[in-house]
Amino acid sequence: GAVVSQHPSRVICKSGTSVKIECRSLDFQATTMFWYRQFPKQSLMLMATSNEGSKATYEQGVEKDKFLINHASLTLSTLTVTSAHPEDSSFYICSARDRGGSGNTIYFGEGSWLTVV
Amino acid sequence: AQSVTQLDSQVPVFEEAPVELRCNYSSSVSVYLFWYVQYPNQGLQLLLKYLSGSTLVKGINGFEAEFNKSQTSFHLRKPSVHISDTAEYFCAVSEWQAGTALIFGKGTTLSVSS
Repeated sequence: GAVVSQHPSRVICKSGTSVKIECRSLDFQATTMFWYRQFPKQSLMLMATSNEGSKATYEQGVEKDKFLINHASLTLSTLTVTSAHPEDSSFYICSARDRGGSGNTIYFGEGSWLTVV
Repeated sequence: AQSVTQLDSQVPVFEEAPVELRCNYSSSVSVYLFWYVQYPNQGLQLLLKYLSGSTLVKGINGFEAEFNKSQTSFHLRKPSVHISDTAEYFCAVSEWQAGTALIFGKGTTLSVSS
């Protein structure tokens, strides 16, 4: 079946550096991908909606200059956390909508654990 | 904009007992509804979804949910739980026609003990 792959699954970076997380749809084309953040024992909070070939739409309170999202192709979206700080440590999850078929299917990646030290 | 309220943050239950996890939603347009399960330190797994048709939806692992439009609810049920059902459960809503993202509730921790 369709799969959404996130890489890396875990990453540790130093405070002040940038880290990139990739989200790939492996066997379908995704015109729209979504990025979520989940703090421990909390729910998933939508950060932004990523549309292929256009700028991402950020949710209120999410810093677009800090969380750079690029959706350069129909199978790849990337989230770059710039100048990371310990408070950015979180579980980041992407999801992708399959534009084929009924278009009513959305798949989630396995998530990426970011630890900023 | 849509929103989801999961009425219980924690639900403790004994093994083999029935369980209901409650979910209410708010939206000005038609919505699609989902239940996901998340085991510790893992990603999300889709339990079931309601897109249209029969209001009683059956999912994996013996779970089912009923869409009630008049009460704007989508409660999740299982007639007999197992220890392995211990996990975090999230209800989510999407205004699908608008191409919007899934919006999640705060989650319900289901703890099954023997």
